[in-house]
Amino acid sequence: AQKVTQAQTEISVVEKEDVTLDCVYETRDTTYYLFWYKQPPSGELVFLIRRNSFDEQNEISGRYSWNFQKSTSSFNFTITASQVVDSAVYFCALTSYNQGGKLIFGQGTELSVKP
Amino acid sequence: DVKVTQSSRYLVKRTGEKVFLECVQDMDHENMFWYRQDPGLGLRLIYFSYDVKMKEKGDIPEGYSVSREKKERFSLILESASTNQTSMYLCASSFLAGFNEQFFGPGTRLTVL
Repeated sequence: AQKVTQAQTEISVVEKEDVTLDCVYETRDTTYYLFWYKQPPSGELVFLIRRNSFDEQNEISGRYSWNFQKSTSSFNFTITASQVVDSAVYFCALTSYNQGGKLIFGQGTELSVKP
Repeated sequence: DVKVTQSSRYLVKRTGEKVFLECVQDMDHENMFWYRQDPGLGLRLIYFSYDVKMKEKGDIPEGYSVSREKKERFSLILESASTNQTSMYLCASSFLAGFNEQFFGPGTRLTVL
């Protein structure tokens, strides 16, 4: 069975702190994709990144970085020097060839960045 | 920019009413999806569609039906709304190839009294 677990329900940090959001996944498929989405208070999910199972290189985009480790089935997301605008719910998601494009979402982590 | 729009941001209905939630996308995407979002449960897939007049059940289809008469429009129907269908409903679309990111609409917060 496919599963995504985001164990951190809520995280609260002070502006400029670094914060890491954890994502652990389960799948028996060898070809799969992992995603991160951001849901700000406005409600619309915004796509952040997609990673395939054959590419374990870490990715950095500005203050955002992602650490993909197949050995621990994790795809963690780090925000460096957090800002108030980073406050949102963040979702990790998984799909694979056998899912036919359907996404399996984690429960989400609500990040609150205080000034 | 990809645009996915939903007919209402907020909706209040009474138990037993028939409810229509509309979703329109303007990027010629083949795939369209309906999710509901509840606290602590993340997003759960209700129904999806790969093509016009085609539909597939997701993980929680009970109490819902869908309609896709045109490629750009995907409707979610609650035949007889119940209080346990009070939730945030999110529509999404993507290109047909299975691993493309989905683009989401702003959501409809439905309250059933």
